[in-house]
Amino acid sequence: DAGVTQSPTHLIKTRGQHVTLRCSPISGHKSVSWYQQVLGQGPQFIFQYYEKEERGRGNFPDRFSARQFPNYSSELNVNALLLGDSALYLCASSSRDRLYGYTFGSGTRLTVV
Amino acid sequence: DQQVKQNSPSLSVQEGRISILNCDYTNSMFDYFLWYKKYPAEGPTFLISISSIKDKNEDGRFTVFLNKSAKHLSLHIVPSQPGDSAVYFCAASILNRRNQFYFGTGTSLTVIP
Repeated sequence: DAGVTQSPTHLIKTRGQHVTLRCSPISGHKSVSWYQQVLGQGPQFIFQYYEKEERGRGNFPDRFSARQFPNYSSELNVNALLLGDSALYLCASSSRDRLYGYTFGSGTRLTVV
Repeated sequence: DQQVKQNSPSLSVQEGRISILNCDYTNSMFDYFLWYKKYPAEGPTFLISISSIKDKNEDGRFTVFLNKSAKHLSLHIVPSQPGDSAVYFCAASILNRRNQFYFGTGTSLTVIP
């Protein structure tokens, strides 16, 4: 079975631009979470969606938004990119509305120049 | 505000010996803890977890100990193997916010053959 797939794997953007990151959960998983991992730090929670509804939001500015589609895939959007948004963005999916049992994808490495 | 801390950025251990990775937390509301393992270019992989009603949980070579009074947990790997070389993250959650985990900054373990 395919794991959590994220696209693209790497991305370079310029300050002020907008970016969309995509995540496909494991088949049958209805919950998707997004995390940001800055170099040298642990992952920081951004959003969680379950059954297409937002169930949690971390301490991130409104420039960050996300949505979940009927097939449970998800997009993370970041507007007005800053240099500090450079990070590994991780998506995780689960069949239950909690993190235990979550499976992470390999992430999208975003570099803002 | 780093609520979960891993104060040792790196650890080197000889193959066959015990590896002990430590984690401290500040939020007394945390009641569920996990360890994740991360190889380069891959997403974190769930390793072992423990609920606050227990003080020890064992799974094969991996044992997690929880000391609630000290707000400290540790992961023991016995015996250590070269394939255990990875970055280990400690994570914690709160009962009514299971959709959000707080991660430490990680400890890079190197097992020397």
